[in-house]
Amino acid sequence: AQTVTQSQPEMSVQEAETVTLSCTYDTSESDYYLFWYKQPPSRQMILVIRQEAYKQQNATENRFSVNFQKAAKSFSLKISDSQLGDAAMYFCASGGATNKLIFGTGTLLAVQP
Amino acid sequence: NAGVMQNPRHLVRRRGQEARLRCSPMKGHSHVYWYRQLPEEGLKFMVYLQKENIIDESGMPKERFSAEFPKEGPSILRIQQVVRGDSAAYFCASSLAAKYEQYFGPGTRLTVT
Repeated sequence: AQTVTQSQPEMSVQEAETVTLSCTYDTSESDYYLFWYKQPPSRQMILVIRQEAYKQQNATENRFSVNFQKAAKSFSLKISDSQLGDAAMYFCASGGATNKLIFGTGTLLAVQP
Repeated sequence: NAGVMQNPRHLVRRRGQEARLRCSPMKGHSHVYWYRQLPEEGLKFMVYLQKENIIDESGMPKERFSAEFPKEGPSILRIQQVVRGDSAAYFCASSLAAKYEQYFGPGTRLTVT
C-alpha cells in the first residue's frame, strides 16, 4: 500500500522569500510518480508539478521545483520568490500502477507581505 | 479548451434523499476519477472509471454509493439515502490515459441536513 506523509500542517513565508514544503512517501511499486497540488481558498485543485520516479533529474516549473530523494523516499517542494497568490493548501500525492492518487494531509502555506 | 466540469457546485440534501453529482472530463480524456475530501482532510480516492467500465472501486463505500461513466454523457456519482457523514467536497479528475496527470474539476460541495 502507498502512504504519503506531510509533517508540516502549516508554514509561513515572507513575500519574495523561498520556502520548502516537506513530503515523504512509501510505496512497494517500482514504477510510480509524484505530484504537488495546490488548493487555494476557491478549493480548486491545481497541479503544480509532477515527477516520475525513474527520472533522476528534479522537475522544475518556473518558481516551483522539487528535491526528489528516491532512496530516502522524500519529495519536497521549493517555492522561490514567493508571491501572495501562492498562499494555499499544498498537497503531495503519489500514483502508481493502480492510477489512483494517494494524498497527504496537506500543508497550509501563508505568505506574509 | 474547457477544463473538467462538475455540477452542481453546491448541493443540499436532507437525510434519506439521493444525491447525483456530475462530471464532464476534459475534451479527449477518457479516464475519470472521483475523490472525496472531508473537512480539514486530504482527498481520498473513491473510484476510477473509463468509458462504460469501472476499473477500480476500492475506495467506494460498499453501500449506497455507485458510479458510472456512460458511452455518452458525463460521469455520475450517485449517493442513495444520504446521511450527515456524507457531507463533503467531491472532486472529479480526468486524465488522457493511465499514469498521466490528473486534472481536477472545481468540486461539488454536498451538505446533508
